[in-house]
Formats: sequence, structure tokens, C-alpha cells
Amino acid sequence: KQEVTQIPAALSVPEGENLVLNCSFTDSAIYNLQWFRQDPGKGLTSLLLIQSSQREQTSGRLNASLDKSSGRSTLYIAASQPGDSATYLCAVDSSGSRLTFGEGTQLTVNP
Amino acid sequence: SQTIHQWPATLVQPVGSPLSLECTVEGTSNPNLYWYRQAAGRGLQLLFYSVGIGQISSEVPQNLSASRPQDRQFILSSKKLLLSDSGFYLCAWSSQGAGEAFFGQGTRLTVV
Repeated sequence: KQEVTQIPAALSVPEGENLVLNCSFTDSAIYNLQWFRQDPGKGLTSLLLIQSSQREQTSGRLNASLDKSSGRSTLYIAASQPGDSATYLCAVDSSGSRLTFGEGTQLTVNP
Repeated sequence: SQTIHQWPATLVQPVGSPLSLECTVEGTSNPNLYWYRQAAGRGLQLLFYSVGIGQISSEVPQNLSASRPQDRQFILSSKKLLLSDSGFYLCAWSSQGAGEAFFGQGTRLTVV
């Protein structure tokens, strides 16, 4: 059974800092890995999707990497802004039809 | 472009009352459809998923059921709500074959 762990559970940084969020998964046989952002009381917004054959994906100030063999992914956020404050969720597709989620990292960027 | 609609945004229901949450997707055909529940401060738990009309898979035994009467419509139901059914319910879709998943805005259900 796939298990996804996100570390740290919460993170507080000053504005402008570069930061890394970590995600690990127990079964390396995955189809893809997806990073989401969730604002309080809202749905999930897809940030980046990394297919199993890919090593990384970039979108603006975000860069996600995937190391399938070690069961790890990182989300790098450059030059963080207060608007980046949210919960970031990592999810893994091990079946081709459904996702297993981590518990998320709650990020606060202080002005 | 594809969009997903989920309603209502909030709902307060008494214990023992029925439930019907609806989700529709536009701009795509034959999507995979999902219902998740998120407890406060926790990750998402998959409740049901569907790969086609009338095809429903349940992940967790519970007081809820799901139906897919049309290709782009997914309904979450209960005949009698329990206090433990309170939570944040999210509908999602993805294309067939491990595609990117997209979520609705969620329904906050409070059972009183």
C-alpha cells in the first residue's frame, strides 16, 4: 500500500527566502506525482505534474523534482512571497486511476 | 477549456437527514471522477472513484454512496447522515490513464 509523507508539517519563512518542501513515498512504482496548493477553505489547485519518466518540472518560481528510485520529490519555491502562504500537498498515482495524498506542509511567508 | 463545478459550497444538515452533493465537469469526455473527504488539518481520503458511467469503486466502507448517471456528472449521497460525516468534500477529475487531476472548490458539510 502506497504511503506518502510530507516534511515539514509546517514552515514559516521571511519574504524573499528560497525554500524546499519534501515529499516521500514508499512504493517507487508510480505513474506520476502531482503537487497541489490549497488555500484555507478552498479546493486544490494543481501546481505541477511530474510523469514517472521525468526528473523535474518548472512553472515560474516553482520547480519540482522527482527521484523515483529513492521515493522522493521536492518542491522548490524561489523568492517566496506572502501570497505563497498556503498548504502544499503532494500526491502520487500508483494505479493509473487514483491518487494517494500526503498530509501537506502548511507554509507561512511573513512580510 | 475544462472546468469542474461542485455545489453547494456549504451545507448544514441534521443527523439522520439525506445528502446529495453534485459535481459536473465541462469540456472533456469520459473523465475519471473522484470524491475525496478532508478532515480538519488532515490529508485527503479517497471515498469513491469512477472510470465510466455506472462504474463506481468504493475505497472506504461508510455511510455514503456515489453514482454517475451521466458521463460528466458525479453524485455523492447518503440516506441518513451521521455526525461523523461532517467534513470537507472535494470532487475531482482526471483524464483516463494517469492524467493530471483537477479539483472543485469543495463542499463544507456540517452535520448537527
